[in-house]
Amino acid sequence: EPEVTQTPSHQVTQMGQEVILRCVPISNHLYFYWYRQILGQKVEFLVSFYNNEISEKSEIFDDQFSVERPDGSNFTLKIRSTKLEDSAMYFCASTGRLAVGELFFGEGSRLTVL
Amino acid sequence: TQLLEQSPQFLSIQEGENLTVYCNSSSVFSSLQWYRQEPGEGPVLLVTVVTGGEVKKLKRLTFQFGDARKDSSLHITAAQPGDTGLYLCAGSKTRAGNNRKLIWGLGTSLAVNP
Repeated sequence: EPEVTQTPSHQVTQMGQEVILRCVPISNHLYFYWYRQILGQKVEFLVSFYNNEISEKSEIFDDQFSVERPDGSNFTLKIRSTKLEDSAMYFCASTGRLAVGELFFGEGSRLTVL
Repeated sequence: TQLLEQSPQFLSIQEGENLTVYCNSSSVFSSLQWYRQEPGEGPVLLVTVVTGGEVKKLKRLTFQFGDARKDSSLHITAAQPGDTGLYLCAGSKTRAGNNRKLIWGLGTSLAVNP
């Protein structure tokens, strides 16, 4: 069964360091998303990506964040200078031909900023 | 602030018992989704409800969307240990059910003891 895969599963980094989280969405999907879930808090939308550009971003997604689809398969989230409050589980998700379709989530990348 | 409140926050029951968890808001939603999330994994969509008063069944799970589309419930009959997990509701206020604008609840953590 097709699935969204994410790497790394867990990354520990020092405050101020750059982090890149990687995602391989389901191959024929067209819409890609990043969500995050701080421990004990709600899932939060970060950004959506379609046709090689950002469709929408939340207020959380400030200049420290960027997304890229460098090739036909990978979808990355970069945090330029991590802060303690960036510690969270980051989920990549994708949907097929419709932006309203079922969201398929990856298993998440846990980021710990020390 | 648009909120989805889920209750109870935690629930521990014995195998074979029935249970109902709730997802409430003061706002009207165009559609509402229920997800199940297991530790270390991303949310998995269970159902989407779109019509006020709608009832959907998924084996032992029954989902209902309130008549006013402000609330929803999930009823599990004869719970099994495999039902253990975090049950999340997520609502969309846009007519097309846009994934980018999903509003998430905090979830109900269910433990079914054998």
